[in-house]
Amino acid sequence: DVKVTQSSRYLVKRTGEKVFLECVQDMDHENMFWYRQDPGLGLRLIYFSYDVKMKEKGDIPEGYSVSREKKERFSLILESASTNQTSMYLCASSLSPANEQYFGPGTRLTVT
Amino acid sequence: QKEVEQNSGPLSVPEGAIASLNCTYSDRVSQSFFWYRQYSGKSPELIMSIYSNGDKEDGRFTAQLNKASQYVSLLIRDSQPSDSATYLCADFNTDKLIFGTGTRLQVFP
Repeated sequence: DVKVTQSSRYLVKRTGEKVFLECVQDMDHENMFWYRQDPGLGLRLIYFSYDVKMKEKGDIPEGYSVSREKKERFSLILESASTNQTSMYLCASSLSPANEQYFGPGTRLTVT
Repeated sequence: QKEVEQNSGPLSVPEGAIASLNCTYSDRVSQSFFWYRQYSGKSPELIMSIYSNGDKEDGRFTAQLNKASQYVSLLIRDSQPSDSATYLCADFNTDKLIFGTGTRLQVFP
């Protein structure tokens, strides 16, 4: 079974803090993705990566950056957290871009 | 703007009935389609993928794809209260999955 894990289930941070969200997958997948999910807006793609040290902007990259130093690990960084980044953050991985994606449990981030 | 459209619901069905969930997509070049189930407060869980026109069955679930009409549907037979969740449709387009906003299904005893 594919397993995608995320570093925290719940996180509370203050405005202006730098926030790191970690995601690890154990299936040797090439592709990894970061989404945020908000009520009424669905899943929105922040960044994705098709290979180590490679990253591509998704639909809403502003205010975020990512790092992929190892194949199994994909990190999302909020450079200076703001209240409008309060959301559920979901990491996913897939074998190839057209294949099904498997999601981690999510991190519910609250920025106060 | 490439889009995947779903009725937000809720779709309410009695236990034991067939639940029918529908999804339309805007771009004819879409090749792969996926259905996910998401319980409240949890992450999406893959139910089925479908790539070719026609039906694909897996247990109580049947996915149907009609590329000419650009719609995908998911049928859940013998619906159970444990099927109550939001169902997300997604299609692969160009280089990423495009998700619908989901249909909430309620199965009442």
